[in-house]
This record gives sequence, C-alpha cells and structure tokens, in this order.
Amino acid sequence: AQKITQTQPGMFVQEKEAVTLDCTYDTSDPSYGLFWYKQPSSGEMIFLIYQGSYDQQNATEGRYSLNFQKARKSANLVISASQLGDSAMYFCAMREGLGANSKLTFGKGITLSVRP
Amino acid sequence: SAVISQKPSRDICQRGTSLTIQCQVDSQVTMMFWYRQQPGQSLTLIATANQGSEATYESGFVIDKFPISRPNLTFSTLTVSNMSPEDSSIYLCSVRLRGGNSPLHFGNGTRLTVT
Repeated sequence: AQKITQTQPGMFVQEKEAVTLDCTYDTSDPSYGLFWYKQPSSGEMIFLIYQGSYDQQNATEGRYSLNFQKARKSANLVISASQLGDSAMYFCAMREGLGANSKLTFGKGITLSVRP
Repeated sequence: SAVISQKPSRDICQRGTSLTIQCQVDSQVTMMFWYRQQPGQSLTLIATANQGSEATYESGFVIDKFPISRPNLTFSTLTVSNMSPEDSSIYLCSVRLRGGNSPLHFGNGTRLTVT
C-alpha cells in the first residue's frame, strides 16, 4: 500500500484565494512526521511546513497551514491568499520514526496553478 | 538551514558512460540522502550515506549501478554507472541538519539526460 497518497489532479486557484491540497498517509508507527515541500519549475525542493504525530495543534507557517486530522490520517496543506509565485508542484512526505537515518517517503505530488 | 551545492547542475551523457555527482554541504551532517526524480514523477530514495560506513540502498537500487562515497561529514558523491536513457532523471542530495523532527534540506539537483 502507498504510504503517502495525493490523488488530486492539477489544481487551479484564483490569485488571492485560498486552496487546499490533500494528503493522506498510512503508517502503523506512532511516531511520525509529515512534511510539505514545494517544487517550482526550477526544480529546487523548498520545505514549507511540518506536523508531528504528537503535535496537538495544527502547524502554521505564514500563509501555509496544515489541517491535520490524525484519526482520518490526513494532512492537508492550506495556502491562503494565493500568489502567482505559488504555482508549482507540491509534495507531501512522511517520516516514520525519529531515528537519525529515518527517511522521507514522498507522495506523487500535486500541480498547483494560480490564475491572475 | 544549510547551503548544499551540487555539481554538475545538468549534463547530457552518452549511453554506457558514467557520471559522478558531487554534493558539498557547508556544515557537518551525519546522514546524507540521495534521491532520484524521474521526469514528471515523485522523489524516490536511492540510498542513505553515513560517514565512515557503506551506504544503505533502497530496494531496486544496487551499489554496482549507483556507487556512493562519503569520505567526510560535509561531502558525498553519487555515481550513475553504465548509463541508459532510463537513467535520465533529476538526482538530488539532501541532508538533515538536526535530529528529531527536522526536515530534509535539498541541493538544487543534477538534471541528467542520457542519449
């Protein structure tokens, strides 16, 4: 089974509006972390936001927030006040366990296009 | 964060040749991770490189095809050996600066095209 599932097709949002990018995950490890990365057309991977499995509150980082629903195993990224520069691929990733060599497993990604 | 420099940034190589990708970090890190991103796809972990020991490869990746060196805490190389067009991908090195819940930070990647 896939550990990280991102099933939305390409997403479109009007500039200045909010958009939600979906991510569901699958793990039996009680200690895990969820990450969102942005990859613009230039190819760099930009870390956006992190949510730990034991965190009581949803993570926020500027215009980015994470809607973490642990029982449903979902960690959706919310981008508020979209900007043209938000157009990019967005990847959800999970880290199982907290060991130094624990790796990140990435979802397939979602393409976001912001319309002026 | 850290400055992670990858070289080359891109290359076009002939089938059957090998390419070595370098990754330099401006701070000492314990673990380095090498990922591959095939065109239009997600990132797939190739191997984890720990200084002073053999790299740990993921299923589907073998040392003969992707030998890795990790001579010190700031540097690593990944070689793509005996290349075929299927090896055309972006190769990214990444590091975790701290333990626990810290994210991976990525280099800008090496865009490899094999003809």
